[in-house]
Amino acid sequence: DVVMTQSPLSLPVTLGQPASISCRSSQSLVSSDGKTHLNWFQQRPGQSPRRLMYKVSKRDSGVPDRFSGNGSGTDFTLKFSRVEAEDVGVYYCMQGTHWPKTFGQGTKLEI
Amino acid sequence: EVQLVESGGGLIQPGRSLRLSCVASGFNFRDYAMRWVRLPPGKGLEWVSVITWNGDMIGYADSVKGRFTTSRDNTKNSLYLQMNSLRVEDTALYYCSTSSDALDIWGQGTMVTVSS
Repeated sequence: DVVMTQSPLSLPVTLGQPASISCRSSQSLVSSDGKTHLNWFQQRPGQSPRRLMYKVSKRDSGVPDRFSGNGSGTDFTLKFSRVEAEDVGVYYCMQGTHWPKTFGQGTKLEI
Repeated sequence: EVQLVESGGGLIQPGRSLRLSCVASGFNFRDYAMRWVRLPPGKGLEWVSVITWNGDMIGYADSVKGRFTTSRDNTKNSLYLQMNSLRVEDTALYYCSTSSDALDIWGQGTMVTVSS
């Protein structure tokens, strides 16, 4: 199985400051169709998960543009241009290229 | 309103069986692959299973392979997870979900607690 490794696992941040989360996969996530199926999910306390980004850098509808994603192959990053209070929660990367699909361990963002 | 609603969770003894259901509304259920994802207490999300739109391909995490069976009934807009030989480590909040380029939908989850 593809192992997804996130860092850091805990991310203390200051409101208004930038932040980033790293995600590394044990295999390349480039699929046979040439696309890279790397997703980022946010799970706020007491809520269901919500996808923020798909195919590395495509932002889901309604996701603020302070979130951005980049990377290729095996190394990916979720960036916050400035952290807001509503961003508190756990963030997961998930690969959709290989079966079985796998999540990273999660990164807990705390203000 | 686009919605997924899970049901069927509860407290169950190790070794017993449980069937979860997920009913979809507000979108064309039959057009989408569906998945089950779980969140064990104090841990991170774990992908459990996926089924293609017509059920011709089904995948499972190694941790549930041979014990869990995913199925769907497109006439009822419903997804199912039959869980047999349950273990304490299967205790989790179980979500049904679907994602495509155009949408990402999650239910509110149903809690399964495996304990004697």
